[in-house]
Amino acid sequence: NAGVTQTPKFQVLKTGQSMTLQCAQDMNHNSMYWYRQDPGMGLRLIYYSASEGTTDKGEVPNGYNVSRLNKREFSLRLESAAPSQTSVYFCASSSSGGPEQFFGPGTRLTVL
Amino acid sequence: DQQVKQNSPSLSVQEGRISILNCDYTNSMFDYFLWYKKYPAEGPTFLISISSIKDKNEDGRFTVFLNKSAKHLSLHIVPSQPGDSAVYFCAASAVGTSGSRLTFGEGTQLTVNP
Repeated sequence: NAGVTQTPKFQVLKTGQSMTLQCAQDMNHNSMYWYRQDPGMGLRLIYYSASEGTTDKGEVPNGYNVSRLNKREFSLRLESAAPSQTSVYFCASSSSGGPEQFFGPGTRLTVL
Repeated sequence: DQQVKQNSPSLSVQEGRISILNCDYTNSMFDYFLWYKKYPAEGPTFLISISSIKDKNEDGRFTVFLNKSAKHLSLHIVPSQPGDSAVYFCAASAVGTSGSRLTFGEGTQLTVNP
């Protein structure tokens, strides 16, 4: 039981490049989330998926797209990376029964 | 607007003493509050939570207090241990939000000195 897994762990991009961050959970959770963490700003919600087949914008969605591929997997795509997207990205999941979210180990992204 | 605020970026305490981390919120629709702990290079892990129908919840060395009238909650760690050194995030959830959306505070770096 791996919980929430994220790939890659680290990534360096040049401005304008694209990439997809992958997330998978094996807890049979309905809801999944993408956050970014920046110094002094806590965790800010980018996008979330309340259930398979649905996605919604969070607090900071600009520059990102998401795909809920199936119940297990939720990916985050940067179509044209910008230096302002340099951050640590966390994926999380939760069941329908409560607000507790379980987090992956994070992806540290640097955009040059 | 920052709906959940942790006004102390850092806190340093001696081993064995009490650590008190504070959190304020502005949205009166929040009805469930959580504390997460985060070590460097790891994801946040759930620590303890409290529903708005309660004013206190204990789990071992950790106790969370909720003062709804003041829109304030606090996390007490007694006794503090060096392994408690981490960033602590306060989070809140509102009734009716789909998918259990959480709003996080900025975090407080706790350092427990041996």
